[in-house]
Amino acid sequence: DAGITQSPRHKVTETGTPVTLRCHQTENHRYMYWYRQDPGHGLRLIHYSYGVKDTDKGEVSDGYSVSRSKTEDFLLTLESATSSQTSVYFCAISESRQVSNQPQHFGDGTRLSIL
Amino acid sequence: DQQVKQNSPSLSVQEGRISILNCDYTNSMFDYFLWYKKYPAEGPTFLISISSIKDKNEDGRFTVFLNKSAKHLSLHIVPSQPGDSAVYFCAASVYNNNDMRFGAGTRLTVKP
Repeated sequence: DAGITQSPRHKVTETGTPVTLRCHQTENHRYMYWYRQDPGHGLRLIHYSYGVKDTDKGEVSDGYSVSRSKTEDFLLTLESATSSQTSVYFCAISESRQVSNQPQHFGDGTRLSIL
Repeated sequence: DQQVKQNSPSLSVQEGRISILNCDYTNSMFDYFLWYKKYPAEGPTFLISISSIKDKNEDGRFTVFLNKSAKHLSLHIVPSQPGDSAVYFCAASVYNNNDMRFGAGTRLTVKP
């Protein structure tokens, strides 16, 4: 299994508070991704990174920011959490930009509840 | 606008029989398709994929079929085993693009 650790695994917080989720990899892969999974929607890409300090927006980026100061760490921040951001968040990694070269490997997720 | 659709939220089959999971897509630019399997409290794991230049790809008990004209793909599991019980996600991407679009998933239950 790819070495991906997400922390925390579970978090409950209140509306309006800032939240940061961490993804740590030991595979030295160039690409890292943040997805959210919601019923009826599958997984949707929030942001991704293609190198240290290089990030780009995904399909549902509003309300989220990311940072990657080291190859192994990719942080997802909700500056002011809202109830609509209650979801399960997955981090993924890959060596290649093309999914046909190497499928993305996923962490075990963070369940975030915003009350 | 959901570009990848899995219209069956759930499927139940008997152990030893065939499981067929379906997926439809709307974006004709998609040229690579993947299936992921997900157990509770775990992340999705890659199962099998297919390029648009093929119409079939087989890996052990798992076969994916692609019908480009119908914009439809299916995953066949033969024979089905209780350990196959999981949620299966279909995903699609465009060449040289790491933006995968996922379907909503189908929960497969294989009964002993």
